[in-house]
Amino acid sequence: GAGVSQSPSNKVTEKGKDVELRCDPISGHTALYWYRQSLGQGLEFLIYFQGNSAPDKSGLPSDRFSAERTGGSVSTLTIQRTQQEDSAVYLCASSLEAEETQYFGPGTRLLVL
Amino acid sequence: KQEVTQIPAALSVPEGENLVLNCSFTDSAIYNLQWFRQDPGKGLTSLLLIQSSQREQTSGRLNASLDKSSGRSTLYIAASQPGDSATYLCAVRTSYGKLTFGQGTILTVHP
Repeated sequence: GAGVSQSPSNKVTEKGKDVELRCDPISGHTALYWYRQSLGQGLEFLIYFQGNSAPDKSGLPSDRFSAERTGGSVSTLTIQRTQQEDSAVYLCASSLEAEETQYFGPGTRLLVL
Repeated sequence: KQEVTQIPAALSVPEGENLVLNCSFTDSAIYNLQWFRQDPGKGLTSLLLIQSSQREQTSGRLNASLDKSSGRSTLYIAASQPGDSATYLCAVRTSYGKLTFGQGTILTVHP
């Protein structure tokens, strides 16, 4: 079946602009995760959604970052007033349940000029 | 705070060699440990997942072991091939859902 998909694959934006990144998880997966991969920082957890429960936002680096998951499926990660340090690859993953294998999408490469 | 360390940072071997990648973690109270590979410019591909109650998992030429009490895992790759060249990432789950990753081992297998 189809894997996790993300769009856009690449995004170049100017400092101060807002961006939205989209994730389509594997159908039927109840858990959805966002991670960020940047040089020197490795892979960092950002946010986690499980069913209808309140999301775990403990990894969001600032209040400029927010995410939502509509209808328990598609998720959007929004970064407001982008900064150059936000440049990274943003990876989305989903799993059938929280304790199961996480399957990753190809990522969105964000460059903030 | 959970910290995950992978050794070596990079490894270059000739084709056909057996090799071991190491992963250590500071908090032994984990739910599971997962090994991934990442090809340049691509996302992560899950290789093996070991639950905290398990000692090892095998898939083809790959074998991963887990010693939770000592905070260590190893990924053994038998008869390495050039197609195995990639970055290998170790990740542990210590809270509901969230994974903590190591920095990865960059593996190059040359013909």
